[in-house]
Amino acid sequence: GIQVEQSPPDLILQEGANSTLRCNFSDSVNNLQWFHQNPWGQLINLFYIPSGTKQNGRLSATTVATERYSLLYISSSQTTDSGVYFCAVERGSGTYKYIFGTGTRLKVLA
Amino acid sequence: DGGITQSPKYLFRKEGQNVTLSCEQNLNHDAMYWYRQDPGQGLRLIYYSQIVNDFQKGDIAEGYSVSREKKESFPLTVTSAQKNPTAFYLCASSTAGRSGNTIYFGEGSWLTVV
Repeated sequence: GIQVEQSPPDLILQEGANSTLRCNFSDSVNNLQWFHQNPWGQLINLFYIPSGTKQNGRLSATTVATERYSLLYISSSQTTDSGVYFCAVERGSGTYKYIFGTGTRLKVLA
Repeated sequence: DGGITQSPKYLFRKEGQNVTLSCEQNLNHDAMYWYRQDPGQGLRLIYYSQIVNDFQKGDIAEGYSVSREKKESFPLTVTSAQKNPTAFYLCASSTAGRSGNTIYFGEGSWLTVV
């Protein structure tokens, strides 16, 4: 089945620094999403981005579907950005079966 | 406010007992999901449902059961057959459309077996 790998597994930043998180997937996908899980467990959808580039404030994401990877950029990081970032891809098309990567645990220091 | 409500937030269960986790959404979404998350791990799919009165097993369905009698509700029962049920359980929903199957999550339920 499709494999989803995220890197780095852990990341520590000083407040104000920029970072890039990567998501690699082993097969073509029709649906890719990025999520942020805060320290209390709540998962928030950041981007639906099967291809191309999107931006939302300090966050942006790029998916290069032909090369099977997606990047999440965080600029001017804040302590509230701490948590775990997951990418998820849909297995097949219209299956509703999403596979989550193992996540990148981010800690932003004040 | 629109969203997904899970209850209870925290639940303790004795070994051998069944327990049901509630999930209600008022987003008018067709699809609903249950995921399990173990500490420091990613999410694994337990069950999902695309329409009322229909649901499919995910990757780790053994020891769990669900029902989808109403569009808004998708309760999960953790049965005594589940060997290691202590985990964080997340309910989610989505709808297909021009923006794709964007997934929204509830706040989760912590289940501890004592």
